[in-house]
Amino acid sequence: QKEVEQDPGPLSVPEGAIVSLNCTYSNSAFQYFMWYRQYSRKGPELLMYTYSSGNKEDGRFTAQVDKSSKYISLFIRDSQPSDSATYLCAHVDYKLSFGAGTTVTVRA
Amino acid sequence: KAGVTQTPRYLIKTRGQQVTLSCSPISGHRSVSWYQQTPGQGLQFLFEYFSETQRNKGNFPGRFSGRQFSNSRSEMNVSTLELGDSALYLCASSLASPGQRNTEAFFGQGTRLTVV
Repeated sequence: QKEVEQDPGPLSVPEGAIVSLNCTYSNSAFQYFMWYRQYSRKGPELLMYTYSSGNKEDGRFTAQVDKSSKYISLFIRDSQPSDSATYLCAHVDYKLSFGAGTTVTVRA
Repeated sequence: KAGVTQTPRYLIKTRGQQVTLSCSPISGHRSVSWYQQTPGQGLQFLFEYFSETQRNKGNFPGRFSGRQFSNSRSEMNVSTLELGDSALYLCASSLASPGQRNTEAFFGQGTRLTVV
């Protein structure tokens, strides 16, 4: 079983919609998680880093960790065509254990 | 501030050959990690170096090796290339010291390796 599972999508939404991305993790001891965005033919770009339970907000992005259900989520408000990318969740210790990535397309 | 630089960006090699990829981390970052990204397996951890020492290793065969120099630049080498080694190889650097969680790892653009 992979440490972090993520639905690869693809996910297509109209411009301005809220994008909701989810991952599940296997080990209840996990506490540190990160979200990366990867554009085609580019390396992953760090979006947000979250610890334990609760929400973290950064502009249009909100990351959420629900330890009771072992769920991590990323919400993108007021989505833009420039948000079209693959979004990767990861558990953090000495290495990053990534989910499969969800490909998102925001339609203008 | 310059980001993580990987060279070359693209490579085509023949089965059985060997290849060396290079990574220059962000200035001041002493931790360098390597990852392999393929459509089937996603992003997988290869190894991590800190101060010229390999600290952690992923589940890859011994054909995959690496090293780090005193200026923190790192190279990875793949010997006896197989078709399945075709992938995007990504390098990430961070300020993390051994024993610390590797938060805020910054990735380079990657080297796209094609084995024919």
